[in-house]
Amino acid sequence: NAGVTQTPKFQVLKTGQSMTLQCAQDMNHEYMSWYRQDPGMGLRLIHYSVGAGITDQGEVPNGYNVSRSTTEDFPLRLLSAAPSQTSVYFCASRDKINTGELFFGEGSRLTVL
Amino acid sequence: QKEVEQDPGPLSVPEGAIVSLNCTYSNSAFQYFMWYRQYSRKGPELLMYTYSSGNKEDGRFTAQVDKSSKYISLFIRDSQPSDSATYLCAMTLGTGGFKTIFGAGTRLFVKA
Repeated sequence: NAGVTQTPKFQVLKTGQSMTLQCAQDMNHEYMSWYRQDPGMGLRLIHYSVGAGITDQGEVPNGYNVSRSTTEDFPLRLLSAAPSQTSVYFCASRDKINTGELFFGEGSRLTVL
Repeated sequence: QKEVEQDPGPLSVPEGAIVSLNCTYSNSAFQYFMWYRQYSRKGPELLMYTYSSGNKEDGRFTAQVDKSSKYISLFIRDSQPSDSATYLCAMTLGTGGFKTIFGAGTRLFVKA
């Protein structure tokens, strides 16, 4: 059982480049979300989705796009990377019932030069 | 002001000590309260989950919620070196709870 899988694990970009962080889950969870984690800031919600075709903004959505075409996948797109987007990104999913438990991936470390 | 405040530490204690970790929050609509543990270079994992005010115990861990004071705590008894990790408090609103808001996380070191 793979759980939540994120790729790539590491990425270095130059300012202005674009890229997509991939997230896939095999638990049939309706809810998926993206967080970024920075020192001293904890986890901050970027975007989330409550099902295929439905997405909404979190606390820090600027500079990021998402889409949800399937239940399994929830990619995060950076259209024009900036140094301020250097961070560790986590994808998380859970069942639609609010039991509280988010299942996280291993994280993707992004550096923007 | 952040919705959830948590002292980032670090907190260093000797093995066997009782550890107290705390968070305060400003949104009285939060109903679900959680503690996650995160080991270095790993994703967070759920440690404790509570819904209402009061205490919840699980082995060496006790989660405490005081909604009147907007204050939650996690106590670790007989701390072990394996407890060394970052502990994040988290809260969600009721009915769907699609936004889970995290504290900054407290880094804990338990020395053998």
